[in-house]
Amino acid sequence: ETGVTQTPRHLVMGMTNKKSLKCEQHLGHNAMYWYKQSAKKPLELMFVYSLEERVENNSVPSRFSPECPNSSHLFLHLHTLQPEDSALYLCASSQVVVAADPTGELFFGEGSRLTVL
Amino acid sequence: GQNIDQPTEMTATEGAIVQINCTYQTSGFNGLFWYQQHAGEAPTFLSYNVLDGLEEKGRFSSFLSRSKGYSYLLLKELQMKDSASYLCAVRDSNYQLIWGAGTKLIIKP
Repeated sequence: ETGVTQTPRHLVMGMTNKKSLKCEQHLGHNAMYWYKQSAKKPLELMFVYSLEERVENNSVPSRFSPECPNSSHLFLHLHTLQPEDSALYLCASSQVVVAADPTGELFFGEGSRLTVL
Repeated sequence: GQNIDQPTEMTATEGAIVQINCTYQTSGFNGLFWYQQHAGEAPTFLSYNVLDGLEEKGRFSSFLSRSKGYSYLLLKELQMKDSASYLCAVRDSNYQLIWGAGTKLIIKP
């Protein structure tokens, strides 16, 4: 138990479906992240929210739409996905890095395994 | 460009010692992380190095040489439960994390 919970754990969807991934953190952190993990590739940062404001969008296609209603919850809305979007989607949280606490390690959820048919 | 290199896969024997290397080329440096990820599970934090030298934490140690752009994770007294992927990540000058593709470690009896 890492303190970060993701649902659903597994999702199969067609290219015309609309679905959402949910992430909740119970650690009191002030930053949340969405990562994409594909086999044998480095983690790809998709979105970062710091203090509930989106601060990073690494050129992610618009078919992925994040939402952060408060500091504990993060969603990833999915629509008209492509088969190449099939991957493990990881949510993470951390404290924003400051001089007094420079580590700022990430706490990850177990991921949502997405398959696009 | 920025990149992190680490071996794709390593095999070691239970009870032995294994060293997983990580080399990096990044725009600036603000710390290096090692994470462990068991199959189907969340990555979990193992270690953080920002100064040169060795950080020891039980059976695991992590070493950093900033001048060489090099780190290693040393695992002693290997146990079967150490079979996992080990991810190296560097925080660059913009405080962005640059990730390696991970090293899958297989432990044999």
